[in-house]
Amino acid sequence: DAKTTQPTSMDCAEGRAANLPCNHSTISGNEYVYWYRQIHSQGPQYIIHGLKNNETNEMASLIITEDRKSSTLILPHATLRDTAVYYCIVRPLNTGGGNKLTFGTGTQLKVEL
Amino acid sequence: DTGVSQNPRHKITKRGQNVTFRCDPISEHNRLYWYRQTLGQGPEFLTYFQNEAQLEKSRLLSDRFSAERPKGSFSTLEIQRTEQGDSAMYLCASSLEVALGTEAFFGQGTRLTVV
Repeated sequence: DAKTTQPTSMDCAEGRAANLPCNHSTISGNEYVYWYRQIHSQGPQYIIHGLKNNETNEMASLIITEDRKSSTLILPHATLRDTAVYYCIVRPLNTGGGNKLTFGTGTQLKVEL
Repeated sequence: DTGVSQNPRHKITKRGQNVTFRCDPISEHNRLYWYRQTLGQGPEFLTYFQNEAQLEKSRLLSDRFSAERPKGSFSTLEIQRTEQGDSAMYLCASSLEVALGTEAFFGQGTRLTVV
């Protein structure tokens, strides 16, 4: 699976947009980009995924560059409850291993007043 | 609550003892995964089941570890002769994989401390 690179930590003011970048320069054509987050002492939670088009759901937006080598997760109006570690994961389309996910160390997002 | 349930939430055991964790997945989910997470790291894949069949095991899963999913419902993860290095959060996840791109639902984990 392709490797991802994320900043170790980021801060965001409550109510502002949080933009979390991810580099996946070795992504191949059959790999999705997935984002999960993990609030302290809880299991990871799915946020969003995409292949090549931008995606939006009730939690976030995912912007994938045209060459698919990087992406940005956007939380449009961050709240204190969005403080968590955010993981960017690439996962093959041909899901022999399904949700056998390769997590990195993620980005610790701290939302502050 | 119809999410993934893990028991116990916390377990403290002495080195050399055996421990068993249980995971109850979301009821209609055909796949069940076990992950391990140590402090400051992301979860690491251990093994997964499709229904009752264990389809893959990571090299992280030593001979002291065994997992079962009888009848394709709940799963257990047993660690024999625990070592201090086994101290970690053990996470279970489930998914319904009848189509590509389905997401995993994780439980809250069992935190194991070996003393």
